[in-house]
Amino acid sequence: KQEVTQIPAALSVPEGENLVLNCSFTDSAIYNLQWFRQDPGKGLTSLLLIQSSQREQTSGRLNASLDKSSGRSTLYIAASQPGDSATYLCAALNFGNEKLTFGTGTRLTIIP
Amino acid sequence: EPEVTQTPSHQVTQMGQEVILRCVPISNHLYFYWYRQILGQKVEFLVSFYNNEISEKSEIFDDQFSVERPDGSNFTLKIRSTKLEDSAMYFCASSYGGDTVNTEAFFGQGTRLTVV
Repeated sequence: KQEVTQIPAALSVPEGENLVLNCSFTDSAIYNLQWFRQDPGKGLTSLLLIQSSQREQTSGRLNASLDKSSGRSTLYIAASQPGDSATYLCAALNFGNEKLTFGTGTRLTIIP
Repeated sequence: EPEVTQTPSHQVTQMGQEVILRCVPISNHLYFYWYRQILGQKVEFLVSFYNNEISEKSEIFDDQFSVERPDGSNFTLKIRSTKLEDSAMYFCASSYGGDTVNTEAFFGQGTRLTVV
């Protein structure tokens, strides 16, 4: 059974800093890993999807990496802005499944 | 940009009542999903739906729950007799592919269900 963990649960950083969010998963037989953003009381916005055959995926100031052998993915945010404040969730899709297994998320606060 | 839309945004219901949550997935997507998030907890998978039938469901998705695609655009989740523990945010999602290619899932804004 896939278990996805995100540490830390909360993170505060000053505006302008680069930061890394971590995601760990127990079952490396993943098809892909997806990063989402969730604003309070709102839905999930897809940020990046990394296929199992990829090591990195980039979109603007966001860069996601995947290391299946170690069961880890990271989301790198460059030059953070107050508008980046949100909860960031990672979710793994395993081979043979159709469901995403979510982590508990990291609540990010960017301090102006 | 295409998006998944859900209605209503908030539903309050009395325990024991039936509720129907509605979703309009992205029009060319083939796979449809329901997830839920109890306050302060992880997003949990409920059910996936493909080719007009359930393709996968979780232990949470018991006989109290059902899904339907009544026409070419809507996808619904029905809870027959709501319990207090059904209170959660319910998310609809869709993707073009399932466990093959184009599996990026797009989520709606959610329906907050409050059972009193």
